Amino acid sequence: NAGVMQNPRHLVRRRGQEARLRCSPMKGHSHVYWYRQLPEEGLKFMVYLQKENIIDESGMPKERFSAEFPKEGPSILRIQQVVRGDSAAYFCASAKGGSDTEAFFGQGTRLTVV
Amino acid sequence: KQEVTQIPAALSVPEGENLVLNCSFTDSAIYNLQWFRQDPGKGLTSLLLIQSSQREQTSGRLNASLDKSSGRSTLYIAASQPGDSATYLCAVMDSSYKLIFGSGTRLLVRP
Repeated sequence: NAGVMQNPRHLVRRRGQEARLRCSPMKGHSHVYWYRQLPEEGLKFMVYLQKENIIDESGMPKERFSAEFPKEGPSILRIQQVVRGDSAAYFCASAKGGSDTEAFFGQGTRLTVV
Repeated sequence: KQEVTQIPAALSVPEGENLVLNCSFTDSAIYNLQWFRQDPGKGLTSLLLIQSSQREQTSGRLNASLDKSSGRSTLYIAASQPGDSATYLCAVMDSSYKLIFGSGTRLLVRP
């Protein structure tokens, strides 16, 4: 059972381009979380999704950011018209669901906006 | 709104010492609490998960306790080693199933 897979591991985008970050949860996991981590800072919650549903997006900026978790395929975090301030590590976690389940994290995607 | 605080922010100890990392949370209505380890430039590794109905969990040299009523958890590391050097993060799953993180404790174990 492979762990949570994120790709790409590193992504460089010029200002104004789009960034698409992918997360494949562990097998059997239907809950996905996305977090952003700035250098030397903690993890900030962005969005919590279940298959085909956004459960909580309270941590996501209202503009330029969107997330989805389709019935088939990975979860996607999409950032449109990237700016330098979007440079960060973006982590995805998955869980089986329910209250007593453990969350497992991917290795992250390090986005650099030049 | 759930807030998670970790103290100290940084800790430096000589090899072999036993140490305690602290985590506190403001809302006791949690489902579980997890301790993670993060090495520089890497992802998070889950260390211990404590369900809301449990008081502690142990794994090797690690022991985590949970006092839900007082909003506190501790991570005890016995006989620390240089390989334990990392950032340790505490996270609670709140009543809406979100994982809320503290800012972490950066641990350095000196040989």
